[in-house]
Amino acid sequence: NAGVTQTPKFRILKIGQSMTLQCAQDMNHNYMYWYRQDPGMGLKLIYYSVGAGITDKGEVPNGYNVSRSTTEDFPLRLELAAPSQTSVYFCASRPRRDTPTMFFGPGTRLTVL
Amino acid sequence: AQKVTQAQTEISVVEKEDVTLDCVYETRDTTYYLFWYKQPPSGELVFLIRRNSFDEQNEISGRYSWNFQKSTSSFNFTITASQVVDSAVYFCALTKLAIYGGSQGNLIFGKGTKLSVKP
Repeated sequence: NAGVTQTPKFRILKIGQSMTLQCAQDMNHNYMYWYRQDPGMGLKLIYYSVGAGITDKGEVPNGYNVSRSTTEDFPLRLELAAPSQTSVYFCASRPRRDTPTMFFGPGTRLTVL
Repeated sequence: AQKVTQAQTEISVVEKEDVTLDCVYETRDTTYYLFWYKQPPSGELVFLIRRNSFDEQNEISGRYSWNFQKSTSSFNFTITASQVVDSAVYFCALTKLAIYGGSQGNLIFGKGTKLSVKP
């Protein structure tokens, strides 16, 4: 198993540009999450999904959108990038509602200039 | 509301010293889980341990040990005989798990403690 994979690893965007951060897992996990990590601030939840076709907002959803058309993929869309979205983005997954351990992807470092 | 506090922002030790990373949590749930994750300089998040609220037994894994005390809402992490490879940011995290009511299972993270182990 490759686990949780994320692409790209690094990206620089200009203000106002859009992009999609890709996340995939090959463990057949139902639950998937997107977090952002800002320096010295821990991780904060952007969006999550409990299964294909079902998504919901987390703590900091503004400026982002997600979709979950398959169990494996959970892309995060940034529309009209802003400097405040400069961060490291982590995707994570866990198998079922009663299994709490979350496994993280390697992260995407995004800079918006 | 749930909250995790890691009061130590940065700790610096010399190799072979013992070091304890503190974690204090707040929750009104009776069933919850606590975690420690390691983030080395390469950036990935590595799962270290999970503890549920019904199991207060301390755990030891090699040079790592964890002390869970519900009475003080703490879940501290001790590294014995630290090594340079232990240098990383360590995160404590909390989640509730409502088996019956359903939960998104979100992890609430502390802000992390940066540990530097010098040779």
